[in-house]
Amino acid sequence: QKEVEQDPGPLSVPEGAIVSLNCTYSNSAFQYFMWYRQYSRKGPELLMYTYSSGNKEDGRFTAQVDKSSKYISLFIRDSQPSDSATYLCATKKGGNEKLTFGTGTRLTIIP
Amino acid sequence: GAGVSQSPSNKVTEKGKDVELRCDPISGHTALYWYRQSLGQGLEFLIYFQGNSAPDKSGLPSDRFSAERTGGSVSTLTIQRTQQEDSAVYLCASSSPGGRYEQYFGPGTRLTVT
Repeated sequence: QKEVEQDPGPLSVPEGAIVSLNCTYSNSAFQYFMWYRQYSRKGPELLMYTYSSGNKEDGRFTAQVDKSSKYISLFIRDSQPSDSATYLCATKKGGNEKLTFGTGTRLTIIP
Repeated sequence: GAGVSQSPSNKVTEKGKDVELRCDPISGHTALYWYRQSLGQGLEFLIYFQGNSAPDKSGLPSDRFSAERTGGSVSTLTIQRTQQEDSAVYLCASSSPGGRYEQYFGPGTRLTVT
């Protein structure tokens, strides 16, 4: 079993819809949680990060972590065609620099 | 400023040959990471360098893989006697002191072993 599980999709939604992307993890030592966006043939870029449980909002993006259920989410409001990309969740233990990634969810926003 | 750069962008090699992949981190970043991204597998950690400390090699899949970082800057990932299962995108990332949750990634090197 992988330490971080993520539904690979693909996921297609119409423009303007709310998108919900999710990951689960198994190791309770993970303390830092991140979402990366990766466009085709590009490296991942950091979108959001959170420490421990809670919500964090940045514009149209909201990251949510529930450590009790080991569940992390990314919500995208008012989705745009430019949001079409692969979204990767990542986790990190305290004092350890290695990131553990989910497999990524491929998202397409249909105009 | 300039981001993380990697070269070559694409590499096709025959099974059994050695390959070298290069990473130039962001200037001033003391930490450097190598990951491998295979289809359907997500990003897999390979190795991590931090300053002059001994690297964390815990993710290297076999002794055919090695990496070095010269002068605390440029890094080279070497794969000896390549196998078809080594085909993947190899990504390099760097981060600055105090900003270790934010790793900045390069565009990757797409390696194809025939």
